[in-house]
Amino acid sequence: QLQLQESGPGLVKPSETLPLTCTVSGGSITSSSYYWAWIRQPPGKGLEWIATIYYTGTTYYNPSLRSRVTISVDTSKNHFSLKLSSVTAADTAVYYCAVHDYGGIFDYWGQGTLVTVSS
Amino acid sequence: EIVLTQSPATLSLSPGERATLSCRASQSVRSYLAWYQHKPGQAPRLLIYDASNRATGIPARFSGSGSGTDFTLTISSLEPEDFAVYYCQQRHSWPPLTFGGGTKVEI
Repeated sequence: QLQLQESGPGLVKPSETLPLTCTVSGGSITSSSYYWAWIRQPPGKGLEWIATIYYTGTTYYNPSLRSRVTISVDTSKNHFSLKLSSVTAADTAVYYCAVHDYGGIFDYWGQGTLVTVSS
Repeated sequence: EIVLTQSPATLSLSPGERATLSCRASQSVRSYLAWYQHKPGQAPRLLIYDASNRATGIPARFSGSGSGTDFTLTISSLEPEDFAVYYCQQRHSWPPLTFGGGTKVEI
């Protein structure tokens, strides 16, 4: 069974870039069955899909965040990453990495990591 | 972008009662709708996919129905562990994949 674990700084300053990594275990990131995604949940709000990447490097982005987001995959380390630039307090959220199939059903999720944007 | 609206925002019920949660899409998503359960500090869990199919290991008290723009998640008899937030999610037209705002089922 796939397991995902997010890692990154718990605190980021406004205007800086937020880096997050999701380490995958129990399976290969090069599996043809899986698409690797980032989702976030601001305090007291619902879930927001950020981006998805396939192991070949094909990417899909939420248009609302597209200009600030980069998602990438490192097959040698079996992990994928997210960079969110020019962060503001509105980017404070729990960030989840997750896996979905070709159709977009999320099968596995990480536990989430809280990122706070504050000076 | 397809917007999903969930109602009610909060549902206050007792163990053993029936819970009926609604999800309405801004345009047809056919049957491409999923439901997730989310408890504080935990990863969301897939309950239902494609409107009415239970995911592996999900108890039979959870059921989903609907198609097009109107969907329902029903919990036939609430167990103590069912008190959580429930989200619907569409996969008919993406990007972007979108979620509803959630319904909190509280005691």
